[in-house]
Amino acid sequence: LAKTTQPISMDSYEGQEVNITCSHNNIATNDYITWYQQFPSQGPRFIIQGYKTKVTNEVASLFIPADRKSSTLSLPRVSLSDTAVYYCLVGGLSGGYNKLIFGAGTRLAVHP
Amino acid sequence: DAGVTQSPTHLIKTRGQQVTLRCSPKSGHDTVSWYQQALGQGPQFIFQYYEEEERQRGNFPDRFSGHQFPNYSSELNVNALLLGDSALYLCASSLMEGAGARPDTQYFGPGTRLTVL
Repeated sequence: LAKTTQPISMDSYEGQEVNITCSHNNIATNDYITWYQQFPSQGPRFIIQGYKTKVTNEVASLFIPADRKSSTLSLPRVSLSDTAVYYCLVGGLSGGYNKLIFGAGTRLAVHP
Repeated sequence: DAGVTQSPTHLIKTRGQQVTLRCSPKSGHDTVSWYQQALGQGPQFIFQYYEEEERQRGNFPDRFSGHQFPNYSSELNVNALLLGDSALYLCASSLMEGAGARPDTQYFGPGTRLTVL
């Protein structure tokens, strides 16, 4: 599975847009890009998944350039409750089964 | 619709003991995966169960074993506990989509906090 690199931590303020970039230079043709969010003492929560171009849902947007070697998670108008760890994962099905390989994630702190 | 549930919430054991953690998947899901998350780190994949069989395994010793029951619930067993086994153990469930190339979305439970003294 492709290794990912993302910033260890980020700071933002309420109401701002936050963009977290993830590098995945060795992404394979069949790999998807998935982002999870985790609050302290809770399990990770799926945010968004994409393969190429742009994906948007009610929570976030995911931008993937044509070469797919990086991706950017965009959180519009963050609030204090968005303070969490955000994980970028790259992978696909292997033999019909998938497993998630988490890195260290990005700790986002949203300040008043 | 109940999500993924895990029991117990917290557990304290001593070195050398054995522990069993339990997981009930989200309604409609048939696949259960287990992860270990040490403090300050991302979750590490232990293994995945589908149709009552272990389908994939991460880099964990044989002291870690599991089981999936006909109702899709699952257990994680850890034998001969070490201090380093202290962690948050997460269970995630998903629905095996089969032919599609898109990874299944996994839904995580709240975890079991295991402390080994």
